[in-house]
Formats: sequence, structure tokens, C-alpha cells
Amino acid sequence: RKEVEQDPGPFNVPEGATVAFNCTYSNSASQSFFWYRQDCRKEPKLLMSVYSSGNEDGRFTAQLNRASQYISLLIRDSKLSDSATYLCVEYNNNDMRFGAGTRLTVKP
Amino acid sequence: GAVVSQHPSWVICKSGTSVKIECRSLDFQATTMFWYRQFPKQSLMLMATSNEGSKATYEQGVEKDKFLINHASLTLSTLTVTSAHPEDSSFYICSARAGSPTQYFGPGTRLTVL
Repeated sequence: RKEVEQDPGPFNVPEGATVAFNCTYSNSASQSFFWYRQDCRKEPKLLMSVYSSGNEDGRFTAQLNRASQYISLLIRDSKLSDSATYLCVEYNNNDMRFGAGTRLTVKP
Repeated sequence: GAVVSQHPSWVICKSGTSVKIECRSLDFQATTMFWYRQFPKQSLMLMATSNEGSKATYEQGVEKDKFLINHASLTLSTLTVTSAHPEDSSFYICSARAGSPTQYFGPGTRLTVL
């Protein structure tokens, strides 16, 4: 079983839409979680950390549900520039594991 | 944020040759560096973890004699793909960490083996 699972998408949404991605993880002892963004043929870049209480950064909201072992990313008021692949990352014991990513395309 | 560079950004080589990729942390000292490989439309796959001054730890299925990793200083790690073959063609990305869980990624090196 994969350690971090994401719906690969693609998610095609119009500008201004709200879109949410989920990611499930299998290791209940995992300590930290992150969302990274990766543009085509580029390196991943940290989008935001995910805190147990949930956290918001502008149009982006991340949440962690330890009981059900999933994390989520909500993007409000989607922009064309949000088009990218979003990677869910699990960190445990000096080890980071990446999901395969969810592809988002925001269309005019 | 912290800056990590990689060189070269892309390389094309003939089958059987060796290719060296450099990863540098430009404005911080990286206690740990990581090497990943990413095939098209697939996730990042960790190849190995290296700590400065010690041998790299390779993930299962990654041949240490084929993918030579050297982490000689706190700002430089190198990955050498020895006797490269077409199936080694991929996007190789390094990342560096300086204590916190956050990893900073280099821009990647696209390797094409003919």
C-alpha cells in the first residue's frame, strides 16, 4: 500500500471556483504534513505546512484529520496562476514521503 | 527562503557515459541533502539521503554503485550516474535541509540518455 495517496486528477475548474484536494496517509505516527506545489518541469516549492488545528494562508486553507488520517487543501477564488500539481507530503522521523500529486488546471 | 542550486539544469549524453550533477545550498549550511528522481507524471521518488561527511543511505532498489553520492561539505552534494542508460533518463532533483523538517529543492536536472 502506498504511504501517501492522492487523487491524481486532473481537476479542471473555472476561474473563481473553490476546489479541494484530499490526501490520505497510512502512518499514524507521522509528525508533520505539508503541501507543495510543482509547476511543469520545475522543482516542488513549499506552499504551506499543515497544522492540527487547521491553518489558512490567503486563499489557501489546509486541514489535518488525524482520526481519519487525511489532510486537505482548499483553494478559494481560483486564479489561472494556481494551475499546477499539488503534492501532499508526510514527514516522519527525518523522512519525507511525497504523494504522486493532484493536477489542477484553472481555466478562464 | 533558502536557495538551492543544481548544475547542470539539463544534460544529454550517450549510453555508457557517466554524468555528474551538483547540488549546492547557497545561503545556508545543509546538514542533510536528498536526491530524488521523477519520471513523467509520477511522484518524486527518494533515491538516497546524504549527511555531510558520511556515506549516503540509499532507498531500497537504488543501486549505490550506479548512483554515486558524495556530500563532501555542508553546501555541496554530488550525484554521479555511472554508465548511464536510456532508462536512467529522468528528472533528478536534490533538496537540502538545515535542521527543521522543511526541505528546499533545487531546480532539477533533466537527464536524457541516448
